[in-house]
Formats: sequence, C-alpha cells, structure tokens
Amino acid sequence: DQQVKQNSPSLSVQEGRISILNCDYTNSMFDYFLWYKKYPAEGPTFLISISSIKDKNEDGRFTVFLNKSAKHLSLHIVPSQPGDSAVYFCAVTNYGGSQGNLIFGKGTKLSVKP
Amino acid sequence: ETGVTQTPRHLVMGMTNKKSLKCEQHLGHNAMYWYKQSAKKPLELMFVYSLEERVENNSVPSRFSPECPNSSHLFLHLHTLQPEDSALYLCASSHGASRGYGYTFGSGTRLTVV
Repeated sequence: DQQVKQNSPSLSVQEGRISILNCDYTNSMFDYFLWYKKYPAEGPTFLISISSIKDKNEDGRFTVFLNKSAKHLSLHIVPSQPGDSAVYFCAVTNYGGSQGNLIFGKGTKLSVKP
Repeated sequence: ETGVTQTPRHLVMGMTNKKSLKCEQHLGHNAMYWYKQSAKKPLELMFVYSLEERVENNSVPSRFSPECPNSSHLFLHLHTLQPEDSALYLCASSHGASRGYGYTFGSGTRLTVV
C-alpha cells in the first residue's frame, strides 16, 4: 500500500498560469517533506522542502504548502514556464527513522504550454 | 553534472550475464543509496550505505549485490537478472544531517535485460 500518493499522473498548464501539484501521505509520523523535479534522461533534482513545524515555504516561483491535519502537501509554481515541464516527485521522511527512508510518490508529469 | 556520476548510462544484458553498475561522488557525503525506478511505479529504495556500512536492505533479491569500498564509490553487481529487472537504476548520496536538501541523484543507468 502506497504511503505517498500523487493521484494525478499528468497536468497540463498554460505558460504564465499557476501549476498546482498535489501529494497525500498516510503516516502522521512523517515530519519532513520534499519535492524533486526530473527531466528525461536525468536523475531527480531537489527543488524545495518543508518541515512539519511550518505550513508554507517559498522559494522564488515555487511554494510548498503543508496541511498536516489533512496529510496533504502541494507545490505551487507561479508563473509557470515551459522549462518547468518535467516529472515532479513528492517525497517524505521522518527524522527519527534510519537514513535512506525517503519515500517517493509515483510522480506527476507537468507540461507547460507556450 | 550533479556531482554524482553513474556509469554506464545504458546497459543491455542477457539473463545469464554478470555486470556491475558504478556510482561515484566527490561531494563529501557520508551516505549513498541505490534506487530503482520502474515504469509507473514510485522510486524504490534498494540499498543504503552510511559510512561505508550497509544499514538497510529492503528485501531486494540476491541477484542484486551492492558494494561500497569507500565513501565515494558504490557498486551494484548484477547476475542472473530477469526481464522484469529492466528499469532505471539511480544512485544518490547525502550528508546525513542535511535533510533539508535531500539527496543528490546521479543521472541513472538504464538497464534492459533480454
């Protein structure tokens, strides 16, 4: 059973508009949340993260929101650009766990159209 | 180039072959990981090495054998694989304390078992 769910396998957005990528997790023990971006033929690259003591973290065009009561995480990209087209993975972990317990979702493929 | 280098980028092997995947990092990280990415599945953790000792093995079949001779190098030895083992194999490294930035991934080895 998946502990991290990205229910939308794909998302298409017009350039300049907002992209919203969603992620749900099942275990309330998770306390650190990350987003990775992956281009074809490349490994995932870290994008932005948030700890459970916060509900929002912003870095330029990227903002991550955390709703702990709903066990829901989202990534907002504003404004979206064609270069943002990639697969976005949500990942979760907990400080108390052993190293290597980053758990990933299946990813959402974002297409930003000019 | 992310600082984590994987070779080869592509590999085709028969079910009776023996081959090895190589990963190298010079980021000063003290933990290294092997992940498997199959089509339409989340990234799956295979092995974790921390300070050159294996700390986690998520029930990976014995036809996959990891080796970590030092903190900069990680190998995945492959033998008698099955066609369903065809996937993208990703290596990652991290500094244990740097959860805020997650892992640095290599570009992966695309493995095809015929």
